[in-house]
Order: sequence, then structure tokens, then C-alpha cells
Amino acid sequence: AQKVTQAQTEISVVEKEDVTLDCVYETRDTTYYLFWYKQPPSGELVFLIRRNSFDEQNEISGRYSWNFQKSTSSFNFTITASQVVDSAVYFCALPRDDKIIFGKGTRLHILP
Amino acid sequence: DAGVIQSPRHEVTEMGQEVTLRCKPISGHDYLFWYRQTMMRGLELLIYFNNNVPIDDSGMPEDRFSAKMPNASFSTLKIQPSEPRDSAVYFCASSNTGELFFGEGSRLTVL
Repeated sequence: AQKVTQAQTEISVVEKEDVTLDCVYETRDTTYYLFWYKQPPSGELVFLIRRNSFDEQNEISGRYSWNFQKSTSSFNFTITASQVVDSAVYFCALPRDDKIIFGKGTRLHILP
Repeated sequence: DAGVIQSPRHEVTEMGQEVTLRCKPISGHDYLFWYRQTMMRGLELLIYFNNNVPIDDSGMPEDRFSAKMPNASFSTLKIQPSEPRDSAVYFCASSNTGELFFGEGSRLTVL
């Protein structure tokens, strides 16, 4: 069955610290996509990244980086030198047929 | 390009009233999704359309919920009659290449 687990419900770090958000997934598919979304306090859902399962290279975008490891079925998200504006709920997601299934989310608090 | 547009942004109504939420997807996207978000249940997929045709409505909680997509640029989600437990944020999203692009959501409060 397709499933996404974000075990960390809530994380608090002090500004400028690095933080990693975990995502573990289960899928029956041999090729698949994984996604991360951000939901800031204003409430909108913002697409961050899509990764294909055949590309295991780490992705870096500014202070954001993603570590995809098929061997452990994980797609973790690291924010380097966190800032208060990074405070949000972050969702990992996985397609199931034509649908996208979301994890429960990790609420990240960046403390000034 | 305009993003996904939802209306109303906020709706407060009384139990038993009909509620209609509206969505305009991104032009050219052939998938449209309705999600509901609550603290207890997180993000739940209610229904999705492909090329205006409902494909999977297994997430619709009960017969009080209905959704339509009369054309490629418009969809509605209707609740009739509404109940307090329907209070949530309802998101519409559209897609063409896999990733979803969400509207800002409609926050529904049923008193």
C-alpha cells in the first residue's frame, strides 16, 4: 500500500540551526515520484520539490536540500541556517494512482 | 499565469444551510482535486477529476457532499445540508505533470 510517514509531529529549533525533517514512504511501484510541500501560517500549500525515484542524487536549492535514499525508503528534507520565515508545516507526499497522498506533516518552529 | 483560484476564502454558515465552494484551476491543467484539511484528520482527498470527469469520489464523506466540473475552468463542491463537523479548510488543486498546485483554500465554519 502507498503510505507516507512523517514521524516528527513538531520540531523547534533556534534560528540559524540546521534542521532535518524525516519522511519514510512505502510504495508498490518500481518508479514513482515524491514531493515536499510547505504550509506557512498563512495557510496556503506551496509546492517545494518533486523527485523521481530513478534519480537518487541529492537536490540542493539555496538553504534547502533533499536526501533521497531508496535503500531506506526515505526522502528527508534539510534546512540549513534556518530562519524564522521557515516556520511552517511541511508535508511529504507520494502519488497513488493519479492521486497524491500526504503525510500528516511536521510543524516546524524556528525560534528567534 | 494565474494560480488556482478559490472562492469564497471564508464562509460562516449555520447548520442545515447549503454551502457551495468554487474553484478555477490553472489553465491547461487536466486534473482537479478537492482536499479537506482538519486538525484531526490532516489533508484528505475528497474527489478528483480528469478532463472534467470525476474519477474517484471515494473520499467524499457522505451524500451531503457533491462535486461537479461542468467545464475545464470551473468546479464546485457543494455541501447540503451542512453540519458543524464539516468545518474545515477546503483546498482545490490542479495538476498537469504530477505536482499539485493549490488554491489558497476556503475556510468553512458551520455553526
